[in-house]
Amino acid sequence: IAGITQAPTSQILAAGRRMTLRCTQDMRHNAMYWYRQDLGLGLRLIHYSNTAGTTGKGEVPDGYSVSRANTDDFPLTLASAVPSQTSVYFCASSPYVGTGSSEQYFGPGTRLTVT
Amino acid sequence: GQNIDQPTEMTATEGAIVQINCTYQTSGFNGLFWYQQHAGEAPTFLSYNVLDGLEEKGRFSSFLSRSKGYSYLLLKELQMKDSASYLCAVRDSDYKLSFGAGTTVTVRA
Repeated sequence: IAGITQAPTSQILAAGRRMTLRCTQDMRHNAMYWYRQDLGLGLRLIHYSNTAGTTGKGEVPDGYSVSRANTDDFPLTLASAVPSQTSVYFCASSPYVGTGSSEQYFGPGTRLTVT
Repeated sequence: GQNIDQPTEMTATEGAIVQINCTYQTSGFNGLFWYQQHAGEAPTFLSYNVLDGLEEKGRFSSFLSRSKGYSYLLLKELQMKDSASYLCAVRDSDYKLSFGAGTTVTVRA
């Protein structure tokens, strides 16, 4: 079982370019999340999806969009990259949204540098 | 929103005990999580508290006081492999996680 996979592992991107970060999970989890992690700021939620077909905005959604066409995939798109989007991006999933210890499982991350 | 504070760095000796404190101010509370993150890797789940008290899991324990907005993670019998960042995260009433900036623990021989 792979768990959560992300692609690419790392990328250097010119400012103004469009980029899609891919995330796939094989655990049949209902909820999926995108975070960015920056030094000194911790993980910040960009967008989330509680179930296939629905998405929501997190703490830092500007400049990013997501879609959730099926249970397994949750791509994150940067429409026009800017240097401030240089970060490590983590995708995560959890079995369900609700009470209880429904912890989140994280993918290996994508290191993105926007020049 | 959430305001989550934890120390930036801690250093301890192999075999010792370290306690990582986390304080939070929340507009809604639905549980507190601790994650471990080794350098260059993904965070992995360590513990979950939703009621006051201590949860023990092997060498790791986590404590919660909801009235004080306070939690700690206790690492006992430290090993070199415990050198990592430890992330405190609070789940809000919408079931979303907010993370602290993390505490980097360095274990020395």
